[in-house]
Amino acid sequence: GEDVEQSLFLSVREGDSSVINCTYTDSSSTYLYWYKQEPGAGLQLLTYIFSNMDMKQDQRLTVLLNKKDKHLSLRIADTQTGDSAIYFCAESKGYQKVTFGTGTKLQVIP
Amino acid sequence: GAVVSQHPSWVICKSGTSVKIECRSLDFQATTMFWYRQFPKQSLMLMATSNEGSKATYEQGVEKDKFLINHASLTLSTLTVTSAHPEDSSFYICSARDRLAPESRETQYFGPGTRLLVL
Repeated sequence: GEDVEQSLFLSVREGDSSVINCTYTDSSSTYLYWYKQEPGAGLQLLTYIFSNMDMKQDQRLTVLLNKKDKHLSLRIADTQTGDSAIYFCAESKGYQKVTFGTGTKLQVIP
Repeated sequence: GAVVSQHPSWVICKSGTSVKIECRSLDFQATTMFWYRQFPKQSLMLMATSNEGSKATYEQGVEKDKFLINHASLTLSTLTVTSAHPEDSSFYICSARDRLAPESRETQYFGPGTRLLVL
């Protein structure tokens, strides 16, 4: 079955870059996502990448995909206090269900 | 952008009562909606997939008679927690897929969640 794992916690100083890592087990995943969840709120899709890509950049966000190692990362440049949240990695195959990782809590220190 | 709303945003109820949660796609039509449950400090667990005009598909371990799902229109799905108990207390999140989204773009739009507390 599908399994998506993330480290639980990351702390960075404001202005530094944050890198959140994720590993997944299903090699047939076609879409990989990063979601942000602020306290008490729902999920916000930050970005997603097709499995045939190895990088996607969107303003301060850079997603790197190593399909061979089944490793996905999210880099946030110039991290701000407003970036403090829980970040979920997720995967799906086409229109099938999305499987979420355990979430990484990002703490930004002013 | 696509907006999904949930109502209510939070609810407190007595044990044994039933609670209905609504999930609406506000500016798009969704043939498929998903219901997730999230326990504190944990990830989202898919409970069921709701398809407009047909029966929902439940994930293993989710009691369909306990969590009734109705997807009567292209913009509304409801989740009813029947005979709620304290262990049903959780954060329930729905998501919806835009039926007109190009096949090359796979996204689900998430609602803000409903926090349920059963006393």
